[in-house]
Amino acid sequence: NAGVTQTPKFQVLKTGQSMTLQCAQDMNHEYMSWYRQDPGMGLRLIHYSVGAGITDQGEVPNGYNVSRSTTEDFPLRLLSAAPSQTSVYFCASSYSTQDKAFFGQGTRLTVV
Amino acid sequence: RKEVEQDPGPFNVPEGATVAFNCTYSNSASQSFFWYRQDCRKEPKLLMSVYSSGNEDGRFTAQLNRASQYISLLIRDSKLSDSATYLCVVKIPNTGKLIFGQGTTLQVKP
Repeated sequence: NAGVTQTPKFQVLKTGQSMTLQCAQDMNHEYMSWYRQDPGMGLRLIHYSVGAGITDQGEVPNGYNVSRSTTEDFPLRLLSAAPSQTSVYFCASSYSTQDKAFFGQGTRLTVV
Repeated sequence: RKEVEQDPGPFNVPEGATVAFNCTYSNSASQSFFWYRQDCRKEPKLLMSVYSSGNEDGRFTAQLNRASQYISLLIRDSKLSDSATYLCVVKIPNTGKLIFGQGTTLQVKP
């Protein structure tokens, strides 16, 4: 019953450090995406993927990279963390373009 | 104009009240619509999908008006446990992308 699993749940980074937020799903979903949630801003789309080997930018992609080498995994990379990237990050997946999405439990990232 | 707009509230209602949330969207090609619930510091969870004919799930009723590009959620007989943020979500065709409204906060008081 894993669903969508995100790791880590909490992370503190120093400005300029890099890290990868992991996201894995075991539901054989083709569609996966990353969102960030900031107070008063709602959830905003960072990057998304419609299948293995295919990724595209969302609304706020700057400072983030993604890859999709397998159906199951969709990691989000911060190459050089900035305080503006302090946020809560959610990964989501869905079976089809019209189906509901399932979310991971989120990663709370603080950049100091 | 935001792609999905909601009144952020907060809506403060007594137990047992009926409360309605509204949402408008700008992309007329959108085909899939959802209401999600988000509790403080937790992930969004699907409350219900929204169908053109309208649909009901217990105390919750969702309506879609494609002509006006308007979605609504009605909660009857509010419970304390309904206190949360309700997110209006529109899915963009052929991409799987979800566009979220800002969310409407509901606080149900005893």
